[in-house]
Amino acid sequence: SQKIEQNSEALNIQEGKTATLTCNYTNYSPAYLQWYRQDPGRGPVFLLLIRENEKEKRKERLKVTFDTTLKQSLFHITASQPADSATYLCALDERTGNTPLVFGKGTRLSVIA
Amino acid sequence: GAVVSQHPSRVICKSGTSVKIECRSLDFQATTMFWYRQFPKQSLMLMATSNEGSKATYEQGVEKDKFLINHASLTLSTLTVTSAHPEDSSFYICSARGGSGRKYTEAFFGQGTRLTVV
Repeated sequence: SQKIEQNSEALNIQEGKTATLTCNYTNYSPAYLQWYRQDPGRGPVFLLLIRENEKEKRKERLKVTFDTTLKQSLFHITASQPADSATYLCALDERTGNTPLVFGKGTRLSVIA
Repeated sequence: GAVVSQHPSRVICKSGTSVKIECRSLDFQATTMFWYRQFPKQSLMLMATSNEGSKATYEQGVEKDKFLINHASLTLSTLTVTSAHPEDSSFYICSARGGSGRKYTEAFFGQGTRLTVV
């Protein structure tokens, strides 16, 4: 069966450290993998997208890697800040165009000052 | 990025009544919109895919007569929860992708609607 797993339900880290979140999937062949941030009581907000033929993508303090052999994506936040505390969702996109994304359960990150 | 506006953000209704939730794409024409439902500490569960001018496609287990979806224009989709019951209480979120002329790969989400049925 198809699965998307974000291994940690919750992650606590100290301010200034790098947070690393994991997304694993089985029985999917995603064309894209996307990461979203969701704050309590709000809709998700797009952060980064990485294509199947890309290994790494960066945006400011964010870095995403994508290993299609391991079927895994890692999401890093460097120099983390309390304002980074939120739930982070990975999403798979098997086809381009107007198709729904399939979401993992999310990892709730808490950055402690 | 594009903006998707969802209204209302919170609604409390009595059991047996109907509630309409609106989702508007403000600065792009969304050919496809999606409706999700989210329970506390759970992932977004896709309810239906809504294409402009055609009938919505519902996911398995979602009652189409209970969750009426209308996508009458390229900028507006509505979800009506009919004869609401307490078990329908949840967080409902709409999302838009695509866009005629300019294609978005990422999805844009509304702010969500917290529905409480009493």
